[in-house]
Amino acid sequence: AQSVTQPDIHITVSEGASLELRCNYSYGATPYLFWYVQSPGQGLQLLLKYFSGDTLVQGIKGFEAEFKRSQSSFNLRKPSVHWSDAAEYFCAVGVYGNKLVFGAGTILRVKS
Amino acid sequence: KAGVTQTPRYLIKTRGQQVTLSCSPISGHRSVSWYQQTPGQGLQFLFEYFSETQRNKGNFPGRFSGRQFSNSRSEMNVSTLELGDSALYLCASSLDGTGPLNTDTQYFGPGTRLTVL
Repeated sequence: AQSVTQPDIHITVSEGASLELRCNYSYGATPYLFWYVQSPGQGLQLLLKYFSGDTLVQGIKGFEAEFKRSQSSFNLRKPSVHWSDAAEYFCAVGVYGNKLVFGAGTILRVKS
Repeated sequence: KAGVTQTPRYLIKTRGQQVTLSCSPISGHRSVSWYQQTPGQGLQFLFEYFSETQRNKGNFPGRFSGRQFSNSRSEMNVSTLELGDSALYLCASSLDGTGPLNTDTQYFGPGTRLTVL
């Protein structure tokens, strides 16, 4: 069955430091992969998505992610974190139609 | 363009009651999906509607149902509420949904927070 694993439940980084959030997926075919962010009390906002082509995907708010088929990974990165990036981040794989299977999420804390 | 709107934003019900949640997609979007978010189970897919037809269904009991109207607005209903139904219910809309895997961006609403006492 399709699944997404986000190994880190919480991550704390200092403002201005780089960030990498890990995501591993299990899917039989070429995956459609997504990263969403959720601020407290809010819905989900799409940061970026990968369907095919260039394995390095650029998103909004300075985020990027790299698809590595050999490692079944789609890690999210940002070179310099801002305090406003504190939120919960979800990796997801598209499985059929618009159905998404989400990982458990990673809560990002930013310390000043 | 207005985003996805969900009403009500907060709801308190008691066990055994039923509840209806509403979702208005972005204008022009024809696909609406529903998700349940809980601390224990995370984000789980409930169902997807496209052009008034249920296209996809998650692994939830029959107490959870939904429908979509001709204007693409969608409702979901939960009957005989249980304590475990307390959750944030999220609705997402996208422009289309005709392929086996849709590449259109899904836009999520702010959710309805349901509390069952």
